[in-house]
Amino acid sequence: DAKTTQPPSMDCAEGRAANLPCNHSTISGNEYVYWYRQIHSQGPQYIIHGLKNNETNEMASLIITEDRKSSTLILPHATLRDTAVYYCIVGGYNFNKFYFGSGTKLNVKP
Amino acid sequence: NAGVTQTPKFQVLKTGQSMTLQCAQDMNHEYMSWYRQDPGMGLRLIHYSVGAGITDQGEVPNGYNVSRSTTEDFPLRLLSAAPSQTSVYFCASSYGRGNEKLFFGSGTQLSVL
Repeated sequence: DAKTTQPPSMDCAEGRAANLPCNHSTISGNEYVYWYRQIHSQGPQYIIHGLKNNETNEMASLIITEDRKSSTLILPHATLRDTAVYYCIVGGYNFNKFYFGSGTKLNVKP
Repeated sequence: NAGVTQTPKFQVLKTGQSMTLQCAQDMNHEYMSWYRQDPGMGLRLIHYSVGAGITDQGEVPNGYNVSRSTTEDFPLRLLSAAPSQTSVYFCASSYGRGNEKLFFGSGTQLSVL
């Protein structure tokens, strides 16, 4: 299964949009892009996932490029509570192939 | 509204001791799994189960045993604890149909001295 590349850290001003990039150049046709986040040492929390179309839910938007080799998670109005490590994962049917990596540490600043 | 429940939250063991980390879910999920997270690193899969009576190894299974006698419970056993097993352990579950989200427990912080 495909692995992902994310920047180790990013800063964002409170109230502004946070755009977190992810490269997944070896993604295969049936693999989805998932985003999770982990606040402090809590269990990871699901944010959003998609196959090839852009997706939006109450937490975030997911933009996947047409060639599916990269994606961007958008938090439209970041708050201090969005400070967390964000994991981009690609996976197919089997969760046992999920690879979490080190993620991006998002620091939302006042 | 319990979701995935892990016990204990904290545990300290001496090298060579054995113990069981408990994981229970009340969502009738078929898929359950155990991860470990070392400081500053992502999660690594230890063992997983796709249903009662079915288990398989993940990325880092050595030193751990699992069983799945019921849909609700998926305990993780450390047979002879080693300092290298000092970590935070997370249990996760889902319906197991693919294209869906994993629900995680709040974790167990284990220290082996």
